[in-house]
Amino acid sequence: DTEVTQTPKHLVMGMTNKKSLKCEQHMGHRAMYWYKQKAKKPPELMFVYSYEKLSINESVPSRFSPECPNSSLLNLHLHALQPEDSALYLCASSQALRGRRQPQHFGDGTRLSIL
Amino acid sequence: GIQVEQSPPDLILQEGANSTLRCNFSDSVNNLQWFHQNPWGQLINLFYIPSGTKQNGRLSATTVATERYSLLYISSSQTTDSGVYFCAVPPRQGAQKLVFGQGTRLTINP
Repeated sequence: DTEVTQTPKHLVMGMTNKKSLKCEQHMGHRAMYWYKQKAKKPPELMFVYSYEKLSINESVPSRFSPECPNSSLLNLHLHALQPEDSALYLCASSQALRGRRQPQHFGDGTRLSIL
Repeated sequence: GIQVEQSPPDLILQEGANSTLRCNFSDSVNNLQWFHQNPWGQLINLFYIPSGTKQNGRLSATTVATERYSLLYISSSQTTDSGVYFCAVPPRQGAQKLVFGQGTRLTINP
């Protein structure tokens, strides 16, 4: 699925750095998601935004801060990360029809390494 | 919560072979997706198949919701089919999140 664009593709940062991951889609989807995937494991949900409002936070540490500035953009702000936060971060989007769940479309991910 | 089990965990085949991957889930669902994650990490949407059968080229999928399983068929495998295949379902009907199975790692040798 290349209709969800994530930048950067790779990111290396120190534990004291502040960085942001970006996700953009132009499919008119009103639900957007952040997933984290460790090596040889399935993706795990972190956050869901529905109509630009945070609807699900899967008890993610506060060093991860999501932001949805408009219906096409989703950011993940990173601060004071730990080495165990090194992973592939995937963004996804879907239509948000009430009562009916629609397929999620994924971006190519950002591979994050914490030194 | 809902349990999603995929089998087999690993599968190694020669190019040209056919394969069947299975996904069992422990509760009723109204949404099931199959994904292919290639060796570069890209997660590609294969099927959205809450019930019935769909086909797309060499791939097809069948979900029998009443019996809580889905099957993914790959015919005439190619080396580019290598990667990990995930099925994913919502933890309960209407939920926004997806719960992924542990995946089947498929290796197609030339």
